[in-house]
Amino acid sequence: GQNIDQPTEMTATEGAIVQINCTYQTSGFNGLFWYQQHAGEAPTFLSYNVLDGLEEKGRFSSFLSRSKGYSYLLLKELQMKDSASYLCAVRGGGATNKLIFGTGTLLAVQP
Amino acid sequence: DAGITQSPRHKVTETGTPVTLRCHQTENHRYMYWYRQDPGHGLRLIHYSYGVKDTDKGEVSDGYSVSRSKTEDFLLTLESATSSQTSVYFCAISDRGRQGQETQYFGPGTRLLVL
Repeated sequence: GQNIDQPTEMTATEGAIVQINCTYQTSGFNGLFWYQQHAGEAPTFLSYNVLDGLEEKGRFSSFLSRSKGYSYLLLKELQMKDSASYLCAVRGGGATNKLIFGTGTLLAVQP
Repeated sequence: DAGITQSPRHKVTETGTPVTLRCHQTENHRYMYWYRQDPGHGLRLIHYSYGVKDTDKGEVSDGYSVSRSKTEDFLLTLESATSSQTSVYFCAISDRGRQGQETQYFGPGTRLLVL
């Protein structure tokens, strides 16, 4: 079967660093995506990993280990506006670009 | 902004009535997708399209049909709405991102309530 696991909720403090983990088991692998979704809004693309290692983009970084079926999203210097759901998604094999989404991690940033 | 609009943005309907949601894009993207999002389930693919008149089922296609008669429009129809189809529906397109990968970008969503 295909499965993507993320913690349901996390809480962190403004200015701190938080790591959101994602583990996956899918038939085929063709990239892993992270999306941010504020309440009542559409998901927006944050990052993409297809090779092992760390991709850094400003305050956000994403890491991938294909052998372990594991990724994390690292958010530094947390701001109140980072309070949102973070969705992990895997693109499996094939040419249709279909994504399989995890249920998302709701991050609450506290002052 | 991937130039995606959805209509209507909100709809309340009654069980048994037909409902059509529209997704419109302005940038000639080949791939389009319909998802539903429910608490505890995340985003689930209903149907997708890989070209005009070319569509296929996703993981939760029962009770839904789609049509794509022109590149810019992808319609999702609930033939006879049920309360279990109360959800937020997102349309997405696939476009090439900064790293050369195909990335999905989402429309603003449609909130559907079936009474």
